[in-house]
Amino acid sequence: SQQGEEDPQALSIQEGENATMNCSYKTSINNLQWYRQNSGRGLVHLILIRSNEREKHSGRLRVTLDTSKKSSSLLITASRAADTASYFCANLPAGSYQLTFGKGTKLSVIP
Amino acid sequence: DGGITQSPKYLFRKEGQNVTLSCEQNLNHDAMYWYRQDPGQGLRLIYYSQIVNDFQKGDIAEGYSVSREKKESFPLTVTSAQKNPTAFYLCASSIEPPKGGYTFGSGTRLTVV
Repeated sequence: SQQGEEDPQALSIQEGENATMNCSYKTSINNLQWYRQNSGRGLVHLILIRSNEREKHSGRLRVTLDTSKKSSSLLITASRAADTASYFCANLPAGSYQLTFGKGTKLSVIP
Repeated sequence: DGGITQSPKYLFRKEGQNVTLSCEQNLNHDAMYWYRQDPGQGLRLIYYSQIVNDFQKGDIAEGYSVSREKKESFPLTVTSAQKNPTAFYLCASSIEPPKGGYTFGSGTRLTVV
């Protein structure tokens, strides 16, 4: 499978700051999704953006998608210590039924 | 409450032994998946099943086997042929086709001793 790549691999910020994570992928997609994983736990679905959408919001989350650059970004505004986790992007390639996950960005929010 | 349950949470296995990881869902999802997660490697697909009594190999199926006799259950067997089985294993399910997100279990951490 064609794994996506997240950037940066790790990010450390102060509480209240914004956190931005980027994701690139290699093939045409149906949709792109972002997940969160607390240490030692399963992944939790955060937000999905379809290939014909450019931006989507959910609470403090903002996701953008640029299909011409095959990239997406996740912005978490006004971060909290509880946002500390790993964040994964996953894309659903066109014609496929399985998500392809990236390697994740480890976010640390310092109180 | 609907959800997906993996058991056990921690599992220790001696070299040369087979071990089976359980995954059960009550979400009425048709599709189920098994992923392996190693540090710094993200999630890699082992096997997936889109319907009862049918399953396909993912990217790293060697040394693993699955069955899908019931819609709710998708157990994974880690065989002695898997050379490096120590990892965190995640089960997931989704509607088919997965126009929405996956629902994940809380994982099983397997350690070979």
